[in-house]
Amino acid sequence: EDQVTQSPEALRLQEGESSSLNCSYTVSGLRGLFWYRQDPGKGPEFLFTLYSAGEEKEKERLKATLTKKESFLHITAPKPEDSATYLCAARETSGSRLTFGEGTQLTVNP
Amino acid sequence: DTAVSQTPKYLVTQMGNDKSIKCEQNLGHDTMYWYKQDSKKFLKIMFSYNNKELIINETVPNRFSPKSPDKAHLNLHINSLELGDSAVYFCASSQGTVEQFFGPGTRLTVL
Repeated sequence: EDQVTQSPEALRLQEGESSSLNCSYTVSGLRGLFWYRQDPGKGPEFLFTLYSAGEEKEKERLKATLTKKESFLHITAPKPEDSATYLCAARETSGSRLTFGEGTQLTVNP
Repeated sequence: DTAVSQTPKYLVTQMGNDKSIKCEQNLGHDTMYWYKQDSKKFLKIMFSYNNKELIINETVPNRFSPKSPDKAHLNLHINSLELGDSAVYFCASSQGTVEQFFGPGTRLTVL
């Protein structure tokens, strides 16, 4: 069965303190690894899609990377407005189903 | 303009009632989804439709019935509501199997 595990469950950073979130996946043939941001009371907001090991994508202070077993979301010099829950999801080759991890709740203190 | 919209935003109802949640997308996508997010924030797929055809039907109680009148709409009807149905329900859409775009969610509370 496909499985996606995120760590840590919660992360508290000071403004400017860089860190990384981890997403480990076990799927039968990865067809895409997706990162989303979710603010309280809102729907997940799409950030990145990664398709193959070695691929990297960046957006402002966020950079997502992918290996054959895991993905990292690196946050450089975070600001309080980066506080949110970050979700990753994996899609297997045989269908359109996304399997989500349980998310990392990030808090950035000023 | 809102890309994926859901109504209502909040739904409070008594056990045993029947309720519906509506979803519309104006992105021109051909695939729509329903997800359930529990109190631990875990998102789980329930159903998916591609061009009005059901393609994903996870193991959910048959009290839940999706209906897709056209490509832009996917509604969720729930019969005989139970306490355990309380959650946030998200609609999403995608063009094929690429990234999915989510609606704002409907918070269902069953009393």
